[in-house]
Amino acid sequence: NFILTQPHSVSESPGKTITISCTGSSGNIARNYVQWYQQRPGSAPNTVIYDDNQRPYGVPDRFSGSIDRSSNSASLTISGLRTEDEADYYCQSFDGGRIVFGGGTKLTVL
Amino acid sequence: QVQLAESGGGVVQPGESLRLSCEASGFSFASYDMYWVRQVPGKGLEWVATVSEDGGNTNYADSVRGRFTISRDNAEKSVFLQMIALRAEDSAIYYCAKLADRAYWGQGILVSVSA
Repeated sequence: NFILTQPHSVSESPGKTITISCTGSSGNIARNYVQWYQQRPGSAPNTVIYDDNQRPYGVPDRFSGSIDRSSNSASLTISGLRTEDEADYYCQSFDGGRIVFGGGTKLTVL
Repeated sequence: QVQLAESGGGVVQPGESLRLSCEASGFSFASYDMYWVRQVPGKGLEWVATVSEDGGNTNYADSVRGRFTISRDNAEKSVFLQMIALRAEDSAIYYCAKLADRAYWGQGILVSVSA
């Protein structure tokens, strides 16, 4: 089965830039679109990136997504970090009729 | 705007059944596969089941196959999750979601299985 692996946690200071990776276990991660979700405590997930690198209306352009075929990984980059960016972030892709989620990355902005 | 509203959760004993419903609005419901995803509070997201656009194809996580049934009613713009033989490990917040294109999620509904 296809697995997505994320770092368990990352931390950075306000104003800096952070990149969260999402690495596929096998095959080609670029074969299916990758989504990124932000989840704050007590709330449902919220889409920050869809279709690898598309940003929904209302999500600031500080958020960007990319695919690196050479490393079979997707990345979420957040620039100009703000305290309100502190949350859990999940990558997600499709594997046939299955949905695959990464284990989630806790972002701390300190 | 897109809205997904779950209902039907609650507290049940092990072995009992529960039926979750999700009412959708704001998008072309019949054009999208729909999903149920669950999350134990404090843990990660776990895919549960998928139903195709016309309801003709379904897929399940190994952990629920044979006990859960996903279905949909396109006329009512609703998706359902029938859960039988519930176990303590099924306790979680259950989300209804449209994941293709831009993903949208419901607010979630709590299912608690406890003796």
